[in-house]
Amino acid sequence: ELKVEQNPLFLSMQEGKNYTIYCNYSTTSDRLYWYRQDPGKSLESLFVLLSNGAVKQEGRLMASLDTKARLSTLHITAAVHDLSATYFCAENNAGNNRKLIWGLGTSLAVNP
Amino acid sequence: DAGITQSPRHKVTETGTPVTLRCHQTENHRYMYWYRQDPGHGLRLIHYSYGVKDTDKGEVSDGYSVSRSKTEDFLLTLESATSSQTSVYFCAIRGGAGNTEAFFGQGTRLTVV
Repeated sequence: ELKVEQNPLFLSMQEGKNYTIYCNYSTTSDRLYWYRQDPGKSLESLFVLLSNGAVKQEGRLMASLDTKARLSTLHITAAVHDLSATYFCAENNAGNNRKLIWGLGTSLAVNP
Repeated sequence: DAGITQSPRHKVTETGTPVTLRCHQTENHRYMYWYRQDPGHGLRLIHYSYGVKDTDKGEVSDGYSVSRSKTEDFLLTLESATSSQTSVYFCAIRGGAGNTEAFFGQGTRLTVV
């Protein structure tokens, strides 16, 4: 079964702390996407990772891709309240690249 | 922002009635998708389209049908709405398969009573 597993699914952290969200996937795809969703809103693209070793950074968020380990990470540096949201990873389905396979999302709450 | 519009944004309907949701894009993207989002289930693919009149089922297609007669419009129809179809529905578009990201519409909150 093709699946994408994110962990943790829920994360409560203090402002100023660092943390990493993990995204494990099951196929041989080398395309991985990260999205952010604020409560009651739509999904917004954060990062597109297209090759092994790819690293992208935007502000306090940094995403990386290790295709050999089938693992992507989203690292949060010095968290602030504005980062509170749900973060999804999705991989391109290597067997049918028209479709994305989604993780369940990580609900992040950053507390003062 | 990607030009993608869903309508209606909110709808309440009665069990057993047909409902059609519309997704309209101005990006001329080839691929269009309908997802539903429910707590604890993440995003689940209902149907998708890879061209005009070309559609395929997703993982939760039972009770849903789609049509794409023009590049810009992708319609999702609930043939006879049930309470289990109460959900938030998202449309997404992609310019190509493989290495392109998806862009999402604002969502439609559907309540079946």
